[in-house]
Amino acid sequence: ETGVTQTPRHLVMGMTNKKSLKCEQHLGHNAMYWYKQSAKKPLELMFVYSLEERVENNSVPSRFSPECPNSSHLFLHLHTLQPEDSALYLCASSQTSGGRTDTQYFGPGTRLTVL
Amino acid sequence: DAKTTQPPSMDCAEGRAANLPCNHSTISGNEYVYWYRQIHSQGPQYIIHGLKNNETNEMASLIITEDRKSSTLILPHATLRDTAVYYCIVRLLSGGYQKVTFGIGTKLQVIP
Repeated sequence: ETGVTQTPRHLVMGMTNKKSLKCEQHLGHNAMYWYKQSAKKPLELMFVYSLEERVENNSVPSRFSPECPNSSHLFLHLHTLQPEDSALYLCASSQTSGGRTDTQYFGPGTRLTVL
Repeated sequence: DAKTTQPPSMDCAEGRAANLPCNHSTISGNEYVYWYRQIHSQGPQYIIHGLKNNETNEMASLIITEDRKSSTLILPHATLRDTAVYYCIVRLLSGGYQKVTFGIGTKLQVIP
């Protein structure tokens, strides 16, 4: 596997379900990101992990809970979501070193539908 | 990060060059110009970036004006698979992780 992978690619869940999105990067990067893209809206940054520490939480509701167990893996745990949370969830990674952050590379996304 | 302005949509005939403009009049001296594209319902794909000089890679060319207030992404021979939304972004490379802010981009339709 190369680049950034995300699973599952599609997910349908009810409002009372608990599910998790997984992201894995095979690029040796040390920063990982979760973005949300709703229909006809720009990408919204949700969370950033740099060196496995959360460095940004962009006012995201607590029903979204990120986890970064190591520099290659990032999870987004979902519980009691609302229909308006239906969107494309994108993971990205980049390399940060010496105060410089290089290009972000994105995964293919998980299309989430909340019923 | 500086704001960018792009036309909301463009058409291009298959096999012709697609020239996508971007204005970034408030760009600062150490901000780079980046281009990504997003094919329907997929993740954004990195295309190219540059600071001052024109850049070329296997996907595209990037032409940056001398005053750096605008740039043009050139796809030399557009194919149907190049139909996508193209995003122009300006950002610093220094200062730790970067919040990449995407606007609404230009929807490029390549026509057979």
